Amino acid sequence: SQQGEEDPQALSIQEGENATMNCSYKTSINNLQWYRQNSGRGLVHLILIRSNEREKHSGRLRVTLDTSKKSSSLLITASRAADTASYFCATDATSSYKLIFGSGTRLLVRP
Amino acid sequence: GAGVSQSPRYKVAKRGQDVALRCDPISGHVSLFWYQQALGQGPEFLTYFQNEAQLDKSGLPSDRFFAERPEGSVSTLKIQRTQQEDSAVYLCASSLDGTGGNEKLFFGSGTQLSVL
Repeated sequence: SQQGEEDPQALSIQEGENATMNCSYKTSINNLQWYRQNSGRGLVHLILIRSNEREKHSGRLRVTLDTSKKSSSLLITASRAADTASYFCATDATSSYKLIFGSGTRLLVRP
Repeated sequence: GAGVSQSPRYKVAKRGQDVALRCDPISGHVSLFWYQQALGQGPEFLTYFQNEAQLDKSGLPSDRFFAERPEGSVSTLKIQRTQQEDSAVYLCASSLDGTGGNEKLFFGSGTQLSVL
């Protein structure tokens, strides 16, 4: 079973547009992470946000966390075709070491 | 090595065969994880090692699945008597210390297992 649910399941946008993906989770967390996965590859860590943080930036990425709503969002600004990938949120809800992943958002950025 | 290495990249097995999947984590990384990823889904936790100790194997689907990390570095995931439902991508990840939830994981490219 998976802790997080990403929304939407799939997203198609034009290059240059912003992409927003949402993640909801069920139980209290200490940290939430976002990962990216290109087709046929492993996951690559993007950003970690702690439960006492509300927003974090990394380059063109902006992550928000609302612990009262048990949700997070990932915003990719000025998207590029190379951003085409699946994006997953992951939480440490059940233990200090185990990450539980959501089902992912498949992003397609059209050139 | 520069990253987490997994082999083989692809494995085709006949139903009932045993398979062994190898993971070389980043040198010096204490924690090692195995995840199973079905097509179109997120990775699901299988098992966790801290050095050579297997601290959590709660995600292993059945007793046909066995993992080891005898010297605290390379790990092997073994699946005995493979079944069609075992077809998936098996991902290995490592992290520097023992707090995977509090730090980022480095993933290998995975082994895609197809059981015919």
